[in-house]
Amino acid sequence: QSALTQPPSASGSPGQSVTISCTGTSSDVGGSNYVSWYQQHPGKAPKLMIYEVSKRPSGVPDRFSGSKSGNTASLTVSGLQAEDEADYYCSSYQYSKLFGGGTKLTVL
Amino acid sequence: EVQLVESGGGLVQPGGSLRLSCAASGFTFRSYWMSWVRQAPGKGLEWVANVKGDGSVKYYVDSVKGRFTISRDNAKNLVHLQMNSLRAEDTAVYYCAREGSGYDYWGQGALVTVSS
Repeated sequence: QSALTQPPSASGSPGQSVTISCTGTSSDVGGSNYVSWYQQHPGKAPKLMIYEVSKRPSGVPDRFSGSKSGNTASLTVSGLQAEDEADYYCSSYQYSKLFGGGTKLTVL
Repeated sequence: EVQLVESGGGLVQPGGSLRLSCAASGFTFRSYWMSWVRQAPGKGLEWVANVKGDGSVKYYVDSVKGRFTISRDNAKNLVHLQMNSLRAEDTAVYYCAREGSGYDYWGQGALVTVSS
C-alpha cells in the first residue's frame, strides 16, 4: 500500500492558523476513525498530537485540532507559535499501518 | 511514567544480522500491542512490524517479511526485532512504540546502519 499523501511544506506567521491535509483512500483514512497526527522536532522521537481523528492526549494544547471529511484528514494549528515549527505526520492505524510522507511546518 | 528504551543498534554489513531490543516500564506491558517504526535518514516514518500483547499475533510490512522477526518477553517487559539479511535500504532509526490510542509513546530510537 502507498503512504498517505501530505503536502511537503506549510507555513504561517505567529498567531495565524495553518491546516495540513492527509489524503488516503476508503480503505484507510476514509474507512476508519483511527487517524492520528504526530509532531517531530529534529533529532527527536515523534510525539502523538491527535488520535481518533480529533481527540487530544493530555498535555497537548487545544491549539491543535483534527478533523476528517471523506478520505482526507486535516490537522489545524491555531495561534501559531515558534515551537510549533516541526515535521508533522498523519497515520491511519486501524487496518493498514500507514503514515503520510510528512509536512514541514515553518513559522515565519 | 511510561518509558521505552531501545538498544542494539549499530553498523552492520549487507547480509548481516542485528537484534534490537526495547525495554518498557511504567505500564502493564502485556496489555498492549507494540510496534517498531523506522525512519530512514531524511525520510518519513514507516511502520515495520507489531505484536499483540500476548505475543500470539504478529504483522509485518511487506518489505521485511521473511527477514525480520518481532517477539516479546512479557516476563521482562521486552520487545525485540531480529533483523536478518539486512540491506542498505534498511538503514534507519528504529523506534519502539506503544499502540494505545494511536502510537502514544515512543522510545528515543536506535540507529541501524547497513554498509560495507
